[in-house]
Amino acid sequence: GAVVSQHPSRVICKSGTSVKIECRSLDFQATTMFWYRQFPKQSLMLMATSNEGSKATYEQGVEKDKFLINHASLTLSTLTVTSAHPEDSSFYICSARKMGARENTEAFFGQGTRLTVV
Amino acid sequence: DAKTTQPTSMDCAEGRAANLPCNHSTISGNEYVYWYRQIHSQGPQYIIHGLKNNETNEMASLIITEDRKSSTLILPHATLRDTAVYYCIVRLISGYSTLTFGKGTMLLVSP
Repeated sequence: GAVVSQHPSRVICKSGTSVKIECRSLDFQATTMFWYRQFPKQSLMLMATSNEGSKATYEQGVEKDKFLINHASLTLSTLTVTSAHPEDSSFYICSARKMGARENTEAFFGQGTRLTVV
Repeated sequence: DAKTTQPTSMDCAEGRAANLPCNHSTISGNEYVYWYRQIHSQGPQYIIHGLKNNETNEMASLIITEDRKSSTLILPHATLRDTAVYYCIVRLISGYSTLTFGKGTMLLVSP
């Protein structure tokens, strides 16, 4: 199966600092990666879609200057939460689509990153 | 993408079959039905998907009604590890559309 790994799985940071979350496809190349956010007792909300080598596409209401996404290679996408505040505390999840996959292949998800801003 | 409606929660005894319903009355002919689940504090896990025929894999069976307006995910012998939120999602056939997660059904499997 296809494995997507996120790092770190948990992070606690001070308010005002920046945090970088990595999403790696371990055994396949991913042309497209997706970043989701999930607040407690709520469902996953798509934040942005990133394509390798191009700028990410952000969903409405998501600040692109606050949530920096880099997809520099076919196996790595990063999400940087800049100047984090307590309200950014959430569960961040990435998913990846295999390069060359036929349409409607299932999405592969990482295990998520629990961010706590204190 | 068409909207789905699922019960908020369901209970199931360990070892029994869990039948999770989903209504998608506005589904169009070019949309699949997908099921994912999310165990607490983990990322979602793909279970199964189908268009109009019933599907079965090592995890579950998917029964889609003839009019495609509803479906049922069946876990034939539920275990405690199947306790999770189950999401029913409809998704376009062509291209690669993103997954839009609703609230899902919280399935609690008890001893």
